[in-house]
Amino acid sequence: QKEVEQNSGPLSVPEGAIASLNCTYSDRGSQSFFWYRQYSGKSPELIMFIYSNGDKEDGRFTAQLNKASQYVSLLIRDSQPSDSATYLCAVNIPIGGTSYGKLTFGQGTILTVHP
Amino acid sequence: DTGVSQDPRHKITKRGQNVTFRCDPISEHNRLYWYRQTLGQGPEFLTYFQNEAQLEKSRLLSDRFSAERPKGSFSTLEIQRTEQGDSAMYLCASSFSANYGYTFGSGTRLTVV
Repeated sequence: QKEVEQNSGPLSVPEGAIASLNCTYSDRGSQSFFWYRQYSGKSPELIMFIYSNGDKEDGRFTAQLNKASQYVSLLIRDSQPSDSATYLCAVNIPIGGTSYGKLTFGQGTILTVHP
Repeated sequence: DTGVSQDPRHKITKRGQNVTFRCDPISEHNRLYWYRQTLGQGPEFLTYFQNEAQLEKSRLLSDRFSAERPKGSFSTLEIQRTEQGDSAMYLCASSFSANYGYTFGSGTRLTVV
């Protein structure tokens, strides 16, 4: 089982719709969870992070975390063509018995928002 | 510019040559990470520095790869005797802590011919 898995894409939604992106992780010790957006040929850009169970909203973006189910999701409301990109889920997994961690990324989900 | 800087942006090299990439992190960040990303995949962890100490190195990193961060400032990643399988985007990132996420640089795209 991969440490971080994302729902297979690509995902295509019409402009104005809600896009739903999902991610599961295997390490129950994971402490923090991130969503990055990556445009083609560019580097990843942090758009959301969440630490606690429940929902976190930022503008059109909502991150949802369920630690019991080891599941994190990202909802994009009122999707725009400019949201078309690859979305990467990343999980902070502690390194060994240390107090520090590193981000482990999923393979990404390609989102296309068509007018 | 207060972001993470990487140099060069693109590098084409012949198989068997050595290459070196440079990363300048955000000055307040003491943690620096190197990742590699191939087409259609998420970034894969290569190595991590806290200040000048290299605290973890991925098993993905063969002996041909070496990274340094002298004086805890900029970092270099060297690949010796490059192979075609080394072709990828090499990403550098920095942070206060992984709990706060990373800021990535623009990356160095390596093509080995």
